[in-house]
Amino acid sequence: KAGVTQTPRYLIKTRGQQVTLSCSPISGHRSVSWYQQTPGQGLQFLFEYFSETQRNKGNFPGRFSGRQFSNSRSEMNVSTLELGDSALYLCASGTSGSTYNEQFFGPGTRLTVL
Amino acid sequence: AQSVAQPEDQVNVAEGNPLTVKCTYSVSGNPYLFWYVQYPNRGLQFLLKYITGDNLVKGSYGFEAEFNKSQTSFHLKKPSALVSDSALYFCAVRDIGAGNQFYFGTGTSLTVIP
Repeated sequence: KAGVTQTPRYLIKTRGQQVTLSCSPISGHRSVSWYQQTPGQGLQFLFEYFSETQRNKGNFPGRFSGRQFSNSRSEMNVSTLELGDSALYLCASGTSGSTYNEQFFGPGTRLTVL
Repeated sequence: AQSVAQPEDQVNVAEGNPLTVKCTYSVSGNPYLFWYVQYPNRGLQFLLKYITGDNLVKGSYGFEAEFNKSQTSFHLKKPSALVSDSALYFCAVRDIGAGNQFYFGTGTSLTVIP
């Protein structure tokens, strides 16, 4: 089974621009979560989608948004980029959303904001 | 409030020696606890989880973790460290009382010295 894929792997943007990141979950997985990883902050939860509905949302400003499509693929959008948005963005997929199940992570998209 | 603490940013251990990476948690309900490992430029890989039952959980690559309810801890252990175990380790908790969201620690960098 193919793992979680994320595109692109690397992005360089300038302040004020917007960016869209894409995540394809493992086949059969319907839950997709997004995280921001920065040194010293660990993983900060952004949001989780299940069957095209946002199920959970972390404490990020409204500039961060996402969506999930009927094939479970998910996109994350960041508008009006700030320098502090530079981070590794990780996508994770899971099965039915059971509390007991672990998440499977993609390799991440490294976003650099100049 | 839900939280996960990894009190050590860095752990160094000699190859062949036992290793421990510490994790404590705070949740409102029953804890569902996970350990992940991250190698450079890679996403997180699942190592093991505690849901219920035996307090000693065995996982991938010879790792195990001990759940201690009274100390609210879930320390990761391995009897004999390998150089290839050098990586970043994350503890996570899932709290069904908080929207089923994952909370991650800030990570512990493990270096195994040959």
